[in-house]
Amino acid sequence: QVQLLQSGAEVKKPGSSVKVSCKPSGGTITGYTISWVRQAPGQGLEWVGRIIPVLGITHSAPRFQGRVTVSADKSTNTAYMELYSLRSEDTAVYFCAGDAGSGSYDYWGQGTLVTVSS
Amino acid sequence: QSALTQPASVSGSPGQSITISCSGTPSDVGGYNLVSWYQQHPGKAPKLIIYEVTKRPSGISNRFSGSKSGNTASLTISGLQAEDEADYYCWSYGGSNSVEVFGGGTRLTVL
Repeated sequence: QVQLLQSGAEVKKPGSSVKVSCKPSGGTITGYTISWVRQAPGQGLEWVGRIIPVLGITHSAPRFQGRVTVSADKSTNTAYMELYSLRSEDTAVYFCAGDAGSGSYDYWGQGTLVTVSS
Repeated sequence: QSALTQPASVSGSPGQSITISCSGTPSDVGGYNLVSWYQQHPGKAPKLIIYEVTKRPSGISNRFSGSKSGNTASLTISGLQAEDEADYYCWSYGGSNSVEVFGGGTRLTVL
């Protein structure tokens, strides 16, 4: 069973940036569409952005445009999400989710807690 | 893109059936057969239980079923079991600007 393996928890200062990684345990990153989804404490799921690594096409939610970069490195078989100008409201668990062609997210990472605090 | 609208909570007794609604717009739920449902237990990652409105991934019980009418999708769980107690989220492709959107989530309590 394929797993998506994410980088560890981060603590960041307001105004800084964070970069979270996501690597499949099997197969290549180009076999997936990877989305990033976040969940603030006690809150629901929120779509952040998406990359189709084989094509290099990215999209992000309007509220994050200009503040997020989703990318993928085929050489390291890893997808990334970088969020800039962090504020306390960005404190959340960030999940990567993989679509292997079903049009939905069959595979999920374990989540990465990003805490923004001064 | 606003979040899809779900009831905050639903409840049912073991063996009963419940339905969770997910209301969107013609630009998302109503415009595409790309509606999924996810189950999330506390502290865990979401798990896909329905995709493309009505399809179940391998290994998902046939007690879970999905449907759609107009701009509203629905998830029905029949024969409720204690292990079904979780949060449920709908998801839709948004089309314009290629965005995606989740519902606000529904907490299912099995009484």
